Amino acid sequence: DSGVTQTPKHLITATGQRVTLRCSPRSGDLSVYWYQQSLDQGLQFLIQYYNGEERAKGNILERFSAQQFPDLHSELNLSSLELGDSALYFCASSVEPHQNTIYFGEGSWLTVV
Amino acid sequence: GNSVTQMEGPVTLSEEAFLTINCTYTATGYPSLFWYVQYPGEGLQLLLKATKADDKGSNKGFEATYRKETTSFHLEKGSVQVSDSAVYFCALSDSGGSNYKLTFGKGTLLTVNP
Repeated sequence: DSGVTQTPKHLITATGQRVTLRCSPRSGDLSVYWYQQSLDQGLQFLIQYYNGEERAKGNILERFSAQQFPDLHSELNLSSLELGDSALYFCASSVEPHQNTIYFGEGSWLTVV
Repeated sequence: GNSVTQMEGPVTLSEEAFLTINCTYTATGYPSLFWYVQYPGEGLQLLLKATKADDKGSNKGFEATYRKETTSFHLEKGSVQVSDSAVYFCALSDSGGSNYKLTFGKGTLLTVNP
């Protein structure tokens, strides 16, 4: 158990809908990362937050957004969902944004039908 | 940009066989290198890491040495077990900025048969 908690574990929704994935980082970790794992793209970095502020952006679509709240939990919002958004979405956390070891949650499986 | 290339699987071995999964990378600066493992139905777990050239990371019988001259970080284990069946990801961290986002390889599926 990495200490990173993600909910929901599984989610099935229809095209065009919007979903929110939630992540609670490890106790004491200030930085949160979101990754997408899909069959065709592999594991891709989406976005990073540190203490409530966005620090880095990767291959995140404009239909996707994220935020980190004062209690340090983070949410990834996916809107206007398409079939290709079906993937496993991982959250990870670390104490500092510069720390080179990050710990992953078990992921949220999203299936768009 | 940064990239990681790891040997494509799947790899199928018998128990107690020797394992090598090749990983090479392209990066600017001095990245840190990682191996992550994903067991069936689970999330990613850090297996081992190395932060500078010639460092050897090791854990659970797995080893990998950071080779800057060959830009490689091959994963090895002398005697695999059925419980090692999983997907293995090689990754590097971006050392060029103020963040440590990881760039992953595509993963190698390892199946160990009894």
